[in-house]
Amino acid sequence: QVQLVQSGAEVKKPGASVKVSCKASGYTFITYGISWMRQAPGQGLEWMGWISAYNGNTNYAQKLQGRVTMTTDTSTSTAYLELRSLRSDDTAVYYCARAPWTSIVGATFDYWGQGTLVTVSS
Amino acid sequence: EIVLTQSPGTLSLSPGERATLSCRASQTVSSSYLAWYQQKPGQAPRLLIYGASSRATGIPDRFSGSGSGTDFTLTISRLEPEDFAVYYCQQYGSSPLTFGGGTKVEIK
Repeated sequence: QVQLVQSGAEVKKPGASVKVSCKASGYTFITYGISWMRQAPGQGLEWMGWISAYNGNTNYAQKLQGRVTMTTDTSTSTAYLELRSLRSDDTAVYYCARAPWTSIVGATFDYWGQGTLVTVSS
Repeated sequence: EIVLTQSPGTLSLSPGERATLSCRASQTVSSSYLAWYQQKPGQAPRLLIYGASSRATGIPDRFSGSGSGTDFTLTISRLEPEDFAVYYCQQYGSSPLTFGGGTKVEIK
């Protein structure tokens, strides 16, 4: 069965960086992509970006450009989200979800990770 | 960027009643690439509907989606106790992907 298992909760200070992992199993990793979303406390969902596990292509939300990097390690079927220069409004639950490998356009999210709470506080 | 506006913000209904949720887009959603998700507290969202009207695998037929262009609707024909949750629409026809602000369906 398809599973996406994310790394544990993180507490970071403003200005620091965080790296969240998402380990996939139950399917052939390189035939899909991974998209990342986040949800601030009590708020809605925000799409952050996408990476193709097949060829490494990425598509980031414009508001995060320059602060975000998405990578994959095909040897371990793991995707990573790195967010730099953290601010208090980056406090959120971060989710990974399976996506097509070709493009984020046309992508719905049928499998999600369990979420990783990232708290940014001094 | 396509902005999705969901209404109402909260829907107070009793089990067995019909729920009608609206999602309006600021621009035409390409190819009816509109999805609906259900989210319960402490859980990841679950895909219910894609392509505006196709049910995802395992979704009961009391859930139905309709609409095209800029106006979309999710209907739950008879609410079951497990249906009380927050529902989000999402467009995936153009980048950036965007989500609506959500509709909370609560027990009256």
